[in-house]
Amino acid sequence: DTAVSQTPKYLVTQMGNDKSIKCEQNLGHDTMYWYKQDSKKFLKIMFSYNNKELIINETVPNRFSPKSPDKAHLNLHINSLELGDSAVYFCASSPNAQAAGYTFGSGTRLTVV
Amino acid sequence: AQSVTQLDSHVSVSEGTPVLLRCNYSSSYSPSLFWYVQHPNKGLQLLLKYTSAATLVKGINGFEAEFKKSETSFHLTKPSAHMSDAAEYFCVVSGSYNTDKLIFGTGTRLQVFP
Repeated sequence: DTAVSQTPKYLVTQMGNDKSIKCEQNLGHDTMYWYKQDSKKFLKIMFSYNNKELIINETVPNRFSPKSPDKAHLNLHINSLELGDSAVYFCASSPNAQAAGYTFGSGTRLTVV
Repeated sequence: AQSVTQLDSHVSVSEGTPVLLRCNYSSSYSPSLFWYVQHPNKGLQLLLKYTSAATLVKGINGFEAEFKKSETSFHLTKPSAHMSDAAEYFCVVSGSYNTDKLIFGTGTRLQVFP
């Protein structure tokens, strides 16, 4: 069983569209994250949720809205997609917000055309 | 603010020779440090972590790293490279004291030649 699973794995869409990426973890972790990896492979945190509560909200356009229906799920919705949103988005989870306990998903490659 | 600097964007070695990937960190406290590996078109895998225990940390696949506070370094080494080690390697520091935010370095691409 995959510990942190993201869907879809690949997403190609046109500018201006709205899309969602789903993430689920079956590890029983309390904290979930979204990280963005740009075209130069640089990784940066976007959001973190602890037990459905938003904890970290980096400088991310408000077109990006995370939603956590329960502590096992953290979805990422993106409105009015732009070319610059093309990236690989990684979901992750950790127990009790521990930096040492991360498990990453396999990533979602988003391409905006 | 915490940060890491990976001193080499690319490293090339021959199979069977040692690997050294260099990382310096900046932190106002004793940090947690990590090395992650990303194979082409794959996710991120934790190689090893330092969390203020032993300064020499052993990880998976024969990799190890040594925390040197006096040099603010956390270099990754392996005695003998294997073709399957070819990947992108990221040095990572935790964001601040008692936080779970990870701050990534810019990555080092390791090439292994036969």
